Amino acid sequence: GESVGLHLPTLSVQEGDNSIINCAYSNSASDYFIWYKQESGKGPQFIIDIRSNMDKRQGQRVTVLLNKTVKHLSLQIAATQPGDSAVYFCAVKLLSARQLTFGSGTQLTVLP
Amino acid sequence: EPEVTQTPSHQVTQMGQEVILRCVPISNHLYFYWYRQILGQKVEFLVSFYNNEISEKSEIFDDQFSVERPDGSNFTLKIRSTKLEDSAMYFCASSLTGTGSAEAFFGQGTRLTVV
Repeated sequence: GESVGLHLPTLSVQEGDNSIINCAYSNSASDYFIWYKQESGKGPQFIIDIRSNMDKRQGQRVTVLLNKTVKHLSLQIAATQPGDSAVYFCAVKLLSARQLTFGSGTQLTVLP
Repeated sequence: EPEVTQTPSHQVTQMGQEVILRCVPISNHLYFYWYRQILGQKVEFLVSFYNNEISEKSEIFDDQFSVERPDGSNFTLKIRSTKLEDSAMYFCASSLTGTGSAEAFFGQGTRLTVV
Protein backbone atom coordinates (compact mmCIF):
# COMPACT_ATOMS: atom_id res chain seq x y z
CA GLY A 1 0.00 0.00 0.00
CA GLU A 2 0.89 3.64 0.23
CA SER A 3 1.12 6.00 3.13
CA VAL A 4 1.65 9.70 2.78
CA GLY A 5 2.56 12.08 5.57
CA LEU A 6 3.29 15.75 5.94
CA HIS A 7 6.08 16.90 8.15
CA LEU A 8 4.28 19.74 9.92
CA PRO A 9 0.57 20.05 10.64
CA THR A 10 0.80 23.85 10.83
CA LEU A 11 3.02 26.51 9.29
CA SER A 12 2.92 30.26 9.87
CA VAL A 13 4.75 32.66 7.58
CA GLN A 14 4.94 36.40 7.19
CA GLU A 15 3.24 37.89 4.16
CA GLY A 16 5.79 38.23 1.39
CA ASP A 17 8.03 35.44 2.65
CA ASN A 18 8.44 32.12 0.90
CA SER A 19 6.68 29.03 2.23
CA ILE A 20 7.87 25.46 2.02
CA ILE A 21 5.53 22.56 2.76
CA ASN A 22 6.98 19.07 2.86
CA CYS A 23 5.55 15.64 2.30
CA ALA A 24 6.91 12.10 2.49
CA TYR A 25 5.55 9.03 0.77
CA SER A 26 6.29 5.38 1.21
CA ASN A 27 5.68 3.58 -2.07
CA SER A 28 8.62 3.89 -4.45
CA ALA A 29 6.30 2.83 -7.29
CA SER A 30 4.30 6.06 -6.96
CA ASP A 31 4.37 7.82 -10.30
CA TYR A 32 2.30 10.92 -10.00
CA PHE A 33 2.29 13.56 -7.29
CA ILE A 34 -0.12 16.40 -6.77
CA TRP A 35 -0.51 19.30 -4.39
CA TYR A 36 -4.00 20.41 -3.46
CA LYS A 37 -5.15 23.51 -1.60
CA GLN A 38 -8.26 23.32 0.55
CA GLU A 39 -9.88 26.48 1.82
CA SER A 40 -12.37 26.35 4.64
CA GLY A 41 -15.66 24.81 3.52
CA LYS A 42 -14.41 23.95 0.05
CA GLY A 43 -13.15 20.90 -1.76
CA PRO A 44 -9.50 20.27 -2.62
CA GLN A 45 -8.30 22.53 -5.42
CA PHE A 46 -5.52 21.41 -7.75
CA ILE A 47 -2.37 23.52 -7.51
CA ILE A 48 0.39 21.70 -9.34
CA ASP A 49 1.49 18.19 -10.21
CA ILE A 50 4.67 16.39 -11.16
CA ARG A 51 5.44 13.05 -12.76
CA SER A 52 8.11 10.75 -11.41
CA ASN A 53 10.34 11.36 -14.44
CA MET A 54 10.84 14.95 -13.30
CA ASP A 55 12.40 16.44 -10.19
CA LYS A 56 11.14 19.99 -10.45
CA ARG A 57 8.18 21.75 -11.91
CA GLN A 58 7.22 25.41 -11.70
CA GLY A 59 3.91 27.14 -11.88
CA GLN A 60 2.80 30.62 -11.08
CA ARG A 61 4.49 31.43 -7.73
CA VAL A 62 4.61 27.69 -6.91
CA THR A 63 7.32 25.10 -7.39
CA VAL A 64 7.12 21.41 -6.67
CA LEU A 65 10.29 19.46 -5.98
CA LEU A 66 10.45 15.68 -6.04
CA ASN A 67 13.26 13.66 -4.50
CA LYS A 68 12.62 10.04 -5.36
CA THR A 69 15.73 8.84 -3.57
CA VAL A 70 14.33 9.79 -0.17
CA LYS A 71 10.68 9.71 -1.30
CA HIS A 72 10.11 13.35 -0.48
CA LEU A 73 7.97 15.99 -2.11
CA SER A 74 7.83 19.70 -1.36
CA LEU A 75 5.74 22.66 -2.37
CA GLN A 76 7.32 26.08 -2.42
CA ILE A 77 5.13 29.18 -2.54
CA ALA A 78 6.94 32.39 -3.42
CA ALA A 79 5.94 35.71 -1.90
CA THR A 80 3.17 34.19 0.20
CA GLN A 81 -0.05 36.19 0.22
CA PRO A 82 -3.01 36.21 2.64
CA GLY A 83 -5.06 34.36 0.03
CA ASP A 84 -2.62 31.47 0.30
CA SER A 85 -3.87 30.69 3.81
CA ALA A 86 -5.42 27.23 3.57
CA VAL A 87 -4.73 23.56 4.23
CA TYR A 88 -2.31 22.04 1.73
CA PHE A 89 -2.39 18.33 0.92
CA CYS A 90 -0.01 16.28 -1.07
CA ALA A 91 -1.47 13.29 -2.89
CA VAL A 92 0.24 10.45 -4.70
CA LYS A 93 -0.88 7.94 -7.25
CA LEU A 94 0.40 4.98 -9.16
CA LEU A 95 0.25 5.67 -12.88
CA SER A 96 -1.78 2.50 -13.34
CA ALA A 97 -4.24 3.34 -10.59
CA ARG A 98 -7.15 5.70 -10.35
CA GLN A 99 -7.16 6.47 -6.66
CA LEU A 100 -5.24 9.23 -4.98
CA THR A 101 -3.67 8.70 -1.55
CA PHE A 102 -3.67 11.93 0.40
CA GLY A 103 -1.37 13.13 3.12
CA SER A 104 -2.71 14.59 6.35
CA GLY A 105 -2.49 18.26 5.42
CA THR A 106 -0.55 21.33 6.55
CA GLN A 107 -2.46 24.39 7.69
CA LEU A 108 -0.67 27.41 6.25
CA THR A 109 -1.35 30.71 8.00
CA VAL A 110 -0.07 33.92 6.44
CA LEU A 111 0.61 36.62 9.02
CA PRO A 112 0.24 40.31 8.10
CA GLU B 1 -14.95 27.38 -15.67
CA PRO B 2 -16.50 23.91 -15.45
CA GLU B 3 -16.92 22.54 -11.97
CA VAL B 4 -18.15 19.55 -10.04
CA THR B 5 -21.29 20.33 -8.08
CA GLN B 6 -22.60 18.46 -5.07
CA THR B 7 -25.92 18.51 -3.27
CA PRO B 8 -26.87 18.93 -0.55
CA SER B 9 -24.11 20.95 1.08
CA HIS B 10 -25.11 19.61 4.49
CA GLN B 11 -27.16 16.55 5.36
CA VAL B 12 -28.23 15.55 8.84
CA THR B 13 -29.62 12.07 9.25
CA GLN B 14 -30.50 9.68 12.02
CA MET B 15 -28.41 6.59 12.59
CA GLY B 16 -29.76 3.69 10.57
CA GLN B 17 -31.31 5.85 7.89
CA GLU B 18 -30.36 5.75 4.23
CA VAL B 19 -28.79 8.78 2.60
CA ILE B 20 -28.06 9.62 -1.00
CA LEU B 21 -25.40 12.16 -1.82
CA ARG B 22 -25.56 13.65 -5.27
CA CYS B 23 -22.93 14.93 -7.64
CA VAL B 24 -22.87 16.38 -11.12
CA PRO B 25 -19.40 15.76 -12.55
CA ILE B 26 -17.83 17.90 -15.26
CA SER B 27 -19.73 17.12 -18.42
CA ASN B 28 -17.01 15.64 -20.63
CA HIS B 29 -15.30 13.69 -17.85
CA LEU B 30 -15.43 9.93 -17.91
CA TYR B 31 -14.09 8.92 -14.49
CA PHE B 32 -15.85 9.62 -11.25
CA TYR B 33 -14.81 9.28 -7.66
CA TRP B 34 -16.00 9.59 -4.11
CA TYR B 35 -13.68 10.54 -1.28
CA ARG B 36 -14.44 11.32 2.32
CA GLN B 37 -12.76 13.40 4.98
CA ILE B 38 -13.53 12.86 8.64
CA LEU B 39 -13.10 16.11 10.55
CA GLY B 40 -9.43 16.89 11.04
CA GLN B 41 -8.24 13.83 9.17
CA LYS B 42 -6.95 12.95 5.72
CA VAL B 43 -8.99 12.80 2.58
CA GLU B 44 -9.64 9.09 1.98
CA PHE B 45 -10.49 7.36 -1.26
CA LEU B 46 -13.76 5.45 -1.36
CA VAL B 47 -14.49 4.40 -4.92
CA SER B 48 -13.84 5.11 -8.58
CA PHE B 49 -16.38 4.57 -11.33
CA TYR B 50 -16.00 4.27 -15.07
CA ASN B 51 -18.18 3.01 -17.87
CA ASN B 52 -21.05 2.36 -15.47
CA GLU B 53 -19.14 0.15 -13.14
CA ILE B 54 -16.87 0.36 -10.13
CA SER B 55 -13.22 0.23 -11.15
CA GLU B 56 -11.55 0.53 -7.74
CA LYS B 57 -12.78 0.66 -4.18
CA SER B 58 -11.19 0.94 -0.78
CA GLU B 59 -11.74 -1.07 2.38
CA ILE B 60 -14.03 1.69 3.63
CA PHE B 61 -16.43 1.09 0.74
CA ASP B 62 -18.25 -1.91 2.21
CA ASP B 63 -21.68 -3.35 1.48
CA GLN B 64 -23.37 -0.34 3.08
CA PHE B 65 -22.14 1.85 0.24
CA SER B 66 -23.20 1.90 -3.37
CA VAL B 67 -22.72 4.22 -6.31
CA GLU B 68 -24.84 4.84 -9.33
CA ARG B 69 -24.95 6.97 -12.43
CA PRO B 70 -28.72 7.04 -12.88
CA ASP B 71 -28.66 9.31 -15.92
CA GLY B 72 -26.18 11.11 -18.13
CA SER B 73 -25.28 13.77 -15.61
CA ASN B 74 -25.67 12.61 -12.01
CA PHE B 75 -23.40 10.42 -9.93
CA THR B 76 -24.69 9.33 -6.55
CA LEU B 77 -23.34 7.76 -3.39
CA LYS B 78 -25.81 5.84 -1.25
CA ILE B 79 -25.21 4.78 2.32
CA ARG B 80 -27.84 2.20 3.20
CA SER B 81 -27.83 2.31 6.98
CA THR B 82 -25.81 5.17 8.33
CA LYS B 83 -23.59 4.84 11.38
CA LEU B 84 -22.25 7.57 13.62
CA GLU B 85 -18.78 7.02 12.18
CA ASP B 86 -20.05 7.84 8.68
CA SER B 87 -20.15 11.49 9.72
CA ALA B 88 -17.69 13.22 7.42
CA MET B 89 -17.30 15.50 4.43
CA TYR B 90 -17.92 13.54 1.25
CA PHE B 91 -16.25 14.81 -1.88
CA CYS B 92 -17.11 13.86 -5.41
CA ALA B 93 -14.44 14.22 -8.08
CA SER B 94 -14.17 13.65 -11.79
CA SER B 95 -11.39 13.41 -14.32
CA LEU B 96 -11.14 13.23 -18.07
CA THR B 97 -8.94 10.18 -18.01
CA GLY B 98 -8.42 7.63 -15.28
CA THR B 99 -4.86 6.52 -15.08
CA GLY B 100 -1.77 8.53 -15.70
CA SER B 101 -1.44 12.16 -14.80
CA ALA B 102 -5.14 12.81 -14.74
CA GLU B 103 -6.11 15.91 -12.86
CA ALA B 104 -9.09 15.21 -10.64
CA PHE B 105 -11.48 18.09 -10.02
CA PHE B 106 -13.25 18.04 -6.69
CA GLY B 107 -16.65 19.34 -5.71
CA GLN B 108 -17.31 21.50 -2.66
CA GLY B 109 -18.38 18.50 -0.63
CA THR B 110 -21.41 17.37 1.34
CA ARG B 111 -21.12 17.45 5.08
CA LEU B 112 -22.91 14.40 6.43
CA THR B 113 -23.82 14.42 10.09
CA VAL B 114 -25.24 11.24 11.57
CA VAL B 115 -27.01 11.69 14.89
